[in-house]
Amino acid sequence: AQTVTQSQPEMSVQEAETVTLSCTYDTSESNYYLFWYKQPPSRQMILVIRQEAYKQQNATENRFSVNFQKAAKSFSLKISDSQLGDTAMYFCAQHSNYQLIWGAGTKLIIKP
Amino acid sequence: GAGVSQTPSNKVTEKGKYVELRCDPISGHTALYWYRQSLGQGPEFLIYFQGTGAADDSGLPNDRFFAVRPEGSVSTLKIQRTERGDSAVYLCASSHGVGGGQTQYFGPGTRLLVL
Repeated sequence: AQTVTQSQPEMSVQEAETVTLSCTYDTSESNYYLFWYKQPPSRQMILVIRQEAYKQQNATENRFSVNFQKAAKSFSLKISDSQLGDTAMYFCAQHSNYQLIWGAGTKLIIKP
Repeated sequence: GAGVSQTPSNKVTEKGKYVELRCDPISGHTALYWYRQSLGQGPEFLIYFQGTGAADDSGLPNDRFFAVRPEGSVSTLKIQRTERGDSAVYLCASSHGVGGGQTQYFGPGTRLLVL
């Protein structure tokens, strides 16, 4: 069965610093998609970034980028120049058979 | 355009009661998903619709849970004889298609509390 593991329950950094959130996954599929979602206190899951496994180039979206290591089944999220508004729960997810398989999440706190 | 909407935002009910949770997907999205998120955890898949039919309901925990999408747009998740363990946030998502590359867009969820 596919699993997604986030080993950092909580992290905190100062505003403007760079932070990296870890995620590992386990799959037998040859092609798949990975996602990072952000969930602020409003509860709504917001897509941060996505990666297609067959693409070797790491995805980037403004201050957000990923380090995708396919052989190691690792998919970490780097947030540069962190802002107070980045404070939220961050979930890593893998797409499998129409559904998303989720990690337990990392609570990220950006301190002023 | 409008995003995914869910009503009610919060629902408090008593053990044994029946509840309905509504999801209004993004217009034109053919796929609709329900997830359940317990406190401190990631979401868990419940059911997925492609059009009007439930294409995969393998995540429904038992026969007290049922979902419909009669016209291929709005969906209702129905829970009979609610139990305290049903307390969670119920998230709905929709996507344009069903392939792995299709991004799922989420609503704000319904927080269900069973007393």
